Amino acid sequence: GAVVSQHPSWVICKSGTSVKIECRSLDFQATTMFWYRQFPKQSLMLMATSNEGSKATYEQGVEKDKFLINHASLTLSTLTVTSAHPEDSSFYICSVVRQGWNSNQPQHFGDGTRLSIL
Amino acid sequence: ILNVEQSPQSLHVQEGDSTNFTCSFPSSNFYALHWYRWETAKSPEALFVMTLNGDEKKKGRISATLNTKEGYSYLYIKGSQPEDSATYLCALATDSWGKLQFGAGTQVVVTP
Repeated sequence: GAVVSQHPSWVICKSGTSVKIECRSLDFQATTMFWYRQFPKQSLMLMATSNEGSKATYEQGVEKDKFLINHASLTLSTLTVTSAHPEDSSFYICSVVRQGWNSNQPQHFGDGTRLSIL
Repeated sequence: ILNVEQSPQSLHVQEGDSTNFTCSFPSSNFYALHWYRWETAKSPEALFVMTLNGDEKKKGRISATLNTKEGYSYLYIKGSQPEDSATYLCALATDSWGKLQFGAGTQVVVTP
């Protein structure tokens, strides 16, 4: 069964709207979750690392005030795209890792969210 | 940032044929190499995590090798089946905390 639940699967909204995407770990507690973005014909790009109980760590070039991340519990991280504009249209996907995880273990991904801003 | 290249971008395989494709990288300065299979409308599924030069991993008809000295990993599919149709992603863990640098993927289409 699914290890990660990501919601919603797709969103279409008007420019200027804020959109919240949820990522839930179903099978285990996750102190760390990752948020990725993929533009057409490009690779998955890490946006930020979400850490339970502390501030997220953002990758270079990702605006933290634009992409708000909240990881308030061990099973839920949310990504809010604030005042979204057409250039924010993309595919967003999260992954979760078990406590005590290291880079030698796989990440567990959600199904992703297709965001289209009109 | 390590540049992870995957080739070919896509390939078509006849059912029953075997195939392989490549993930290449310019440096061995990474913690692990991950392979994921990503079927349409599903989530990426982990296939292998490889760390050592010469590593070979196998899962059913799919196997992978890692050559850190020459900067590549191969993924092999033996006796391809339609259910093998997917995009195969390669990613390098660039730090111990798990940052993954992904390639653009190889899309495999297996036709009956």
